[in-house]
Amino acid sequence: SAVISQKPSRDICQRGTSLTIQCQVDSQVTMMFWYRQQPGQSLTLIATANQGSEATYESGFVIDKFPISRPNLTFSTLTVSNMSPEDSSIYLCSVQDTEGYGYTFGSGTRLTVV
Amino acid sequence: DQQVKQNSPSLSVQEGRISILNCDYTNSMFDYFLWYKKYPAEGPTFLISISSIKDKNEDGRFTVFLNKSAKHLSLHIVPSQPGDSAVYFCAAYYTGTASKLTFGTGTRLQVTL
Repeated sequence: SAVISQKPSRDICQRGTSLTIQCQVDSQVTMMFWYRQQPGQSLTLIATANQGSEATYESGFVIDKFPISRPNLTFSTLTVSNMSPEDSSIYLCSVQDTEGYGYTFGSGTRLTVV
Repeated sequence: DQQVKQNSPSLSVQEGRISILNCDYTNSMFDYFLWYKKYPAEGPTFLISISSIKDKNEDGRFTVFLNKSAKHLSLHIVPSQPGDSAVYFCAAYYTGTASKLTFGTGTRLQVTL
């Protein structure tokens, strides 16, 4: 399965600022997925990032708040903009395995907004 | 609308015994199901999966059972080990275009000595 490097692993940010999270995959993948896990909650899909086109956002998530870049088939970034304490969560990227039907996840970014 | 549900938020099992984690889903379009294990400060790690054309899949100590008519799946861990203590998520998707995982709410498993 693919290996994903995600960074930063954690950060503490001031409200009103933005943070960009990066994911690097060791193989080319068509789609990359960005998830959020709020404290004590399940994982919720934010958006699907395709190379060469705009990301597709799930209900409740908008591009102005979570802009995504996908410059090539191995890399993507998610920016959490104008942060508030409610954005404190773990953010994870994921790709579908090229062999089989599983999904691999990055190690996550633990964000705390103060 | 929670399409994938894990009704037990936590489970405690003695080492060596069987752990049974349950998951229910409502969307009949789902045709592939996965279980993930998650430690704090780490991303989910894939454990085992099952296609809707099967009713059982086994991998070492882990077995997943699928009951399509009941829209229910379960993960059995035998024997349970202290290192199995983690949060377990079931997830589902349908193998069409733009496949995306829908996760359950998670069950925290504690394996005691």
